[in-house]
Amino acid sequence: ETGVTQTPRHLVMGMTNKKSLKCEQHLGHNAMYWYKQSAKKPLELMFVYSLEERVENNSVPSRFSPECPNSSHLFLHLHTLQPEDSALYLCASSQDRGGDIQYFGAGTRLSVL
Amino acid sequence: KNQVEQSPQSLIILEGKNCTLQCNYTVSPFSNLRWYKQDTGRGPVSLTIMTFSENTKSNGRYTATLDADTKQSSLHITASQLSDSASYICVVSARVSGGYNKLIFGAGTRLAVHP
Repeated sequence: ETGVTQTPRHLVMGMTNKKSLKCEQHLGHNAMYWYKQSAKKPLELMFVYSLEERVENNSVPSRFSPECPNSSHLFLHLHTLQPEDSALYLCASSQDRGGDIQYFGAGTRLSVL
Repeated sequence: KNQVEQSPQSLIILEGKNCTLQCNYTVSPFSNLRWYKQDTGRGPVSLTIMTFSENTKSNGRYTATLDADTKQSSLHITASQLSDSASYICVVSARVSGGYNKLIFGAGTRLAVHP
């Protein structure tokens, strides 16, 4: 185990649903990240949090809303998603922002119907 | 534009054989290069990290090389095992303003090892 836990592992939702993805890290890290991984495409960085403050938002649609209540937890709130949002959503953490060594969770496989 | 390209996109080999995966990058300013292994249903796990001055680094049966002049890296897997079946992702770090590293990911090579 990498020390980064994501739940749920799988999620199926309709376009009108609201759901949340959860990430928890037990490594004492100060930075946390959300990535989107689509088939045959590079990982896309979505959000970066450093010391619970959002420091990077890479032009992500507002139907994705992150929340970082403390340095150990990160959420991704989802609402009115589109089928093209179906992907593997990965959470990662590093000691500090821009840290080279990022530890990834196992991801949440999201399917939007 | 910072970019990382990997080849081949997918590869099938027989158990016990060797293979080499390629990574070409156009990233500036270069900070370091890392290879990740991602098993099906799991997140990526770091295999090796190489800085500008390092040419070769090994981790068990995995050996990574880096040619900073041609901006190429390779990952060589020796005596492959069934458990090597995974996606291998090349990640290059670029130093950006503020002193932070920005990670640029390749699309990965999907390796299947057959008995």
